[in-house]
Amino acid sequence: QSVLTQPPSVSGAPGQRVTISCTGSSSNIGAGYDIHWYQQLPGTAPKLLIYGNNKRPSGVPDRFSVSQSGTSASLAITGLQAEDEADYYCQSHDSSLSYVFGTGTKVTVL
Amino acid sequence: EVQLVESGGGLVQPGGSLRLSCVVSGFIFSPYEMNWVRQAPGKGLEWVSFISGSANTINYADSVKGRFTISRDNTKNSLYLQMNSLRAEDTAVYYCARGAAVDDAFDIWGQGTMITVSS
Repeated sequence: QSVLTQPPSVSGAPGQRVTISCTGSSSNIGAGYDIHWYQQLPGTAPKLLIYGNNKRPSGVPDRFSVSQSGTSASLAITGLQAEDEADYYCQSHDSSLSYVFGTGTKVTVL
Repeated sequence: EVQLVESGGGLVQPGGSLRLSCVVSGFIFSPYEMNWVRQAPGKGLEWVSFISGSANTINYADSVKGRFTISRDNTKNSLYLQMNSLRAEDTAVYYCARGAAVDDAFDIWGQGTMITVSS
């Protein structure tokens, strides 16, 4: 199965804006499938963060937003907070009849 | 409260078998697609398998195809993963995850169960 490529890590000071890229291919993101993002706090299960076209489950602040273009997508975190320190994963459907996850990005709050 | 609870993890020898269970509560199970996702120690997430609400559609990752079997019992609100011919590279935390009703996101996750394949 193909994977979606993310930077291993990003960091920022409290209050700053950070972005996480997610690069796929014509069989997943480029094929028009929805991109979803998950947050995994240390030692816990992943949690759905943003799904579809910038939709947030109840309780997720609007500091988190996404964009998409071609075969790539991005997650932006504005007003970075200490509680945002976690691993983040993008995910999409793939035309090979599977789901694919991104390689994961660790966000560090300096 | 919507909840997914996995069980069945443990230590197994290479070539052995194990059956994972995921019991759900707090929602009507039968309409929902379900998935298994795994995470090797210190690694990222890997989708393993999908099953539709009626079990008419089933898909597997290439890495487990022919060795793992997903199933469900809607009368018992339960999802299963039968794992055979286990390999060291199957060592991971296994999560069950619900497919969202509208989008194909995984909107609810269990806490995970650890599988260690080692002699």
